[in-house]
Amino acid sequence: EPEVTQTPSHQVTQMGQEVILRCVPISNHLYFYWYRQILGQKVEFLVSFYNNEISEKSEIFDDQFSVERPDGSNFTLKIRSTKLEDSAMYFCASSDPWGRTNEKLFFGSGTQLSVL
Amino acid sequence: GDSVTQMEGPVTLSEEAFLTINCTYTATGYPSLFWYVQYPGEGLQLLLKATKADDKGSNKGFEATYRKETTSFHLEKGSVQVSDSAVYFCALMDSSYKLIFGSGTRLLVRP
Repeated sequence: EPEVTQTPSHQVTQMGQEVILRCVPISNHLYFYWYRQILGQKVEFLVSFYNNEISEKSEIFDDQFSVERPDGSNFTLKIRSTKLEDSAMYFCASSDPWGRTNEKLFFGSGTQLSVL
Repeated sequence: GDSVTQMEGPVTLSEEAFLTINCTYTATGYPSLFWYVQYPGEGLQLLLKATKADDKGSNKGFEATYRKETTSFHLEKGSVQVSDSAVYFCALMDSSYKLIFGSGTRLLVRP
């Protein structure tokens, strides 16, 4: 089965630093997502991306966050100035809602971000 | 807005016991419903789904039936194994093609 890949698997950063989390979605998918999961808590939606623009974003996704699809294959999440409370597992996902896999979201294995 | 409510965990069972994890939802319309599983140290994997009322999703011995009358999608398995130990997330897909997850239920199966 095709996979969504995320790098790095772990990222440690100092508070106030910028981080970029990288994802390679499945190649023929059209929708891309970022979710996060704070340790022991629910999986929260951050943002969806379709047709080279943000489709929807949550209240969590404030001005410190941005997404980009720089080259047609990668999908990145940037946090401009990290805070302690940004420490979480960040999951990338992709889907092809109108294709063979229908509404299934394919998730990557996540990037564990630790802000010190 | 749309939301999903799951039973609190952890759920601890002995091997071969019967499993039920309750899930109810609130939504406009009739969204597709999903169960995702997260094994230790891994990402989220789709376990099963149902797209309309009375549909039953099934996979790896797990089943869930889309009940419109009770707005529920409870996960069941007749005989759990140690390898089923994981966190299970109920989710719905809203009208903008994003998943809304419940809080997750940790299952621990003891030999």
